[in-house]
Amino acid sequence: GIQVEQSPPDLILQEGANSTLRCNFSDSVNNLQWFHQNPWGQLINLFYIPSGTKQNGRLSATTVATERYSLLYISSSQTTDSGVYFCAVEGNFGNEKLTFGTGTRLTIIP
Amino acid sequence: ETGVTQTPRHLVMGMTNKKSLKCEQHLGHNAMYWYKQSAKKPLELMFVYNFKEQTENNSVPSRFSPECPNSSHLFLHLHTLQPEDSALYLCASSQDPGAVAKNIQYFGAGTRLSVL
Repeated sequence: GIQVEQSPPDLILQEGANSTLRCNFSDSVNNLQWFHQNPWGQLINLFYIPSGTKQNGRLSATTVATERYSLLYISSSQTTDSGVYFCAVEGNFGNEKLTFGTGTRLTIIP
Repeated sequence: ETGVTQTPRHLVMGMTNKKSLKCEQHLGHNAMYWYKQSAKKPLELMFVYNFKEQTENNSVPSRFSPECPNSSHLFLHLHTLQPEDSALYLCASSQDPGAVAKNIQYFGAGTRLSVL
């Protein structure tokens, strides 16, 4: 099956800093989603981005499908950005299965 | 609020108990999913239901029994669980998993299960 790797596994930043999270995947995809899991376990959709670039406030994401990676950018970090960020992909066969990476745990220090 | 509601939020059960987890989606979606999230592991897909039909059983032990009475409701019946089954169980839904750009999945807040 498709492999998903995220880096870094852990990231600790001061409030106000910028960060870049990376997701590498092993095969062509027709679905790529970024999620934020808050400390209470809720997974929140950030982006659906199988290719291209999208922005939503302080967050933006870019997927370079031909090179099989996606980046999530967080600017001017706030303490509420803390949590685990997951990348999940679905291969081109479209078999309904999202494969998740192991996540990046982001901690923003006041 | 993602439109997917899970109850209960927390559950503690003994190995001989029988309990059920409930998931309800208010998004008009056709597919629903159960995932298991254990500490230090990626989310693992357990079951997929598409238009109320089970289309995926990811080698899940029979002590987990899903039920999907309609496209809006999904249950996970639990019996004779083991301590290693303790985890966060997440439900998700999507509009149409067979259509490109329509398998965007939305998650509930999860049920944190502890098996003693």
